[in-house]
Amino acid sequence: DGGITQSPKYLFRKEGQNVTLSCEQNLNHDAMYWYRQDPGQGLRLIYYSQIVNDFQKGDIAEGYSVSREKKESFPLTVTSAQKNPTAFYLCASRWGGGATDQPQHFGDGTRLSIL
Amino acid sequence: GENVEQHPSTLSVQEGDSAVIKCTYSDSASNYFPWYKQELGKRPQLIIDIRSNVGEKKDQRIAVTLNKTAKHFSLHITETQPEDSAVYFCAALYSSASKIIFGSGTRLSIRP
Repeated sequence: DGGITQSPKYLFRKEGQNVTLSCEQNLNHDAMYWYRQDPGQGLRLIYYSQIVNDFQKGDIAEGYSVSREKKESFPLTVTSAQKNPTAFYLCASRWGGGATDQPQHFGDGTRLSIL
Repeated sequence: GENVEQHPSTLSVQEGDSAVIKCTYSDSASNYFPWYKQELGKRPQLIIDIRSNVGEKKDQRIAVTLNKTAKHFSLHITETQPEDSAVYFCAALYSSASKIIFGSGTRLSIRP
């Protein structure tokens, strides 16, 4: 979806380093999400946010942190506490949030690897 | 708990035949069920969705059915073509937690 931009496309992390993945959307969506996808696996929810200045942990939040200071931005930081960060990270957004029956739209993803 | 089970994990069908993927969910309050197609290295893309007030929805060769009593929903692809080869994910909106949970995916291969 052209309205969701993830950067960078590829990212390499050194041991002990924190890295931040960017996700920006111009769809005026209320809710934003971060998923992790390992090779040949499904999507696991890391964090999600329904409104500015509020976010909730997903199923695998340990070793990750987020912020939601602006409606259009939801950056994800992979901290040094995440010992196995190599994966494909997908950001998504959705109009309305909550129980609104609207689909998620995904960015093109960031592929993170360990150096 | 919040869970979406998807079967089968892999599916191979002859070109022109039909493919069916099935999912079950655990939250009876779920009211929205999207299906996504993901090609290798790409982002998931919405192909069809269904809301709890209908039992079936069709879009050309793709159809989805929903059985709320049994808490399961299925994707049907008819007259399969090589470009249908991809990984398909079902999902359910858990309104109590306001999040969308995905199934584990089905890798569909179309044999020429």
